Amino acid sequence: DAMVIQNPRYQVTQFGKPVTLSCSQTLNHNVMYWYQQKSSQAPKLLFHYYDKDFNNEADTPDNFQSRRPNTSFCFLDIRSPGLGDAAMYLCATSSRTGIEQFFGPGTRLTVL
Amino acid sequence: GESVGLHLPTLSVQEGDNSIINCAYSNSASDYFIWYKQESGKGPQFIIDIRSNMDKRQGQRVTVLLNKTVKHLSLQIAATQPGDSAVYFCAENSPDSSYKLIFGSGTRLLVRP
Repeated sequence: DAMVIQNPRYQVTQFGKPVTLSCSQTLNHNVMYWYQQKSSQAPKLLFHYYDKDFNNEADTPDNFQSRRPNTSFCFLDIRSPGLGDAAMYLCATSSRTGIEQFFGPGTRLTVL
Repeated sequence: GESVGLHLPTLSVQEGDNSIINCAYSNSASDYFIWYKQESGKGPQFIIDIRSNMDKRQGQRVTVLLNKTVKHLSLQIAATQPGDSAVYFCAENSPDSSYKLIFGSGTRLLVRP
């Protein structure tokens, strides 16, 4: 089945220790998104890629970076995680012509 | 640890009853709306969508109603089942980018057996 896959599902890191979350998709979609979701809140868009074009949200901290080496993969790098970065991180995709976004299962990040 | 989040509005219904979840959207220029269901520990899952040239759309056990006059969206779930327990988010397309969605704050649906 075509899908959006996120690894790992649970990630524990130490305060200040860089961490990378990964997302892959078999949908061959042009657009990939990273969202941060905190408890009982709506997903908050961090950035998205339209093909290789990177689009950062104005309020996304510099601590968050992203890479998309090819159509299928996208990475979220958190350079120096703080306690406030503990959250669920969701990857999503959409096609060039569609607006509907398809979400992965998320990675739950814990910062100790 | 994680910041304490906002308290989600909660709708509690008896199994078998109909549920109505409401959403007020922000932008009159939005022309596409989606309802997502998010179960605990999972990513949001598409339920149903509607375009602004429609005022009603039906799926399997779900109906979405759109009132553009008052910028209101609702999701009706018929014969609510325990598996419907989840957080429901409405989303509208962003007027500044057709590839971005603006999510509402969410409603938690609890189904009592």
